Amino acid sequence: DAAVTQKPRYLIKMKGQEAEMKCIPEKGHTAVFWYQQKQSKELKFLIYFQNQQPLDQIDMVKERFSAVCPSSSLCSLGIRTCEAEDSALYLCSSSGTNSAETLYFGSGTRLTVL
Amino acid sequence: GDSVTQTEGLVTVTEGLPVKLNCTYQTTYLTIAFFWYVQYLNEAPQVLLRSSTDNKRTEHQGFHATLHKSSSSFHLQKSSAQLSDSALYYCALQLSGSFNKLTFGAGTRLAVCP
Repeated sequence: DAAVTQKPRYLIKMKGQEAEMKCIPEKGHTAVFWYQQKQSKELKFLIYFQNQQPLDQIDMVKERFSAVCPSSSLCSLGIRTCEAEDSALYLCSSSGTNSAETLYFGSGTRLTVL
Repeated sequence: GDSVTQTEGLVTVTEGLPVKLNCTYQTTYLTIAFFWYVQYLNEAPQVLLRSSTDNKRTEHQGFHATLHKSSSSFHLQKSSAQLSDSALYYCALQLSGSFNKLTFGAGTRLAVCP
């Protein structure tokens, strides 16, 4: 079982609604990453946190998403106004602080925007 | 920019035959590590292989890969494919100073047929 926990497993929203998904990183990990996966293909990097601080994110996240890691044990990724193109599997992953460490993924939240 | 290329979207192989999944990369930065991740249906991606040493063969679960910096490649191979190997495989690279952020290829779906 994945040591990274994500909730909910499935999320259905109407276009224009707000969506929020949660992630509990593996205990002791201080680096948290969110990736977007559409139709079981490319893993697209969204945002990265180190010690609860966002250090890197793509423009789409800056413009339409809200992401926080208020503690080392809980992070969240939100979409302010869902669009059909946001339908995807959102994967949270975490790692330790040393370089070249392995990323461990959660099972993801599958978002469907109708 | 940095990129990872997996040329095949789908590879189909008969059980018991060898299989090779291609992975090449392009980067102007110092690389730290290379990974192969495997994602089984409805599961989280999980690390399969990891390497940071040039020309050194890495093995796990019957799969092997050798990092060749001279050709910018990290191909995944197995001498005898099993039905249970059917999954989505991602090649990924980790750059120096990227805080363990991974850049993924588009993924290759491996279908092993009886």
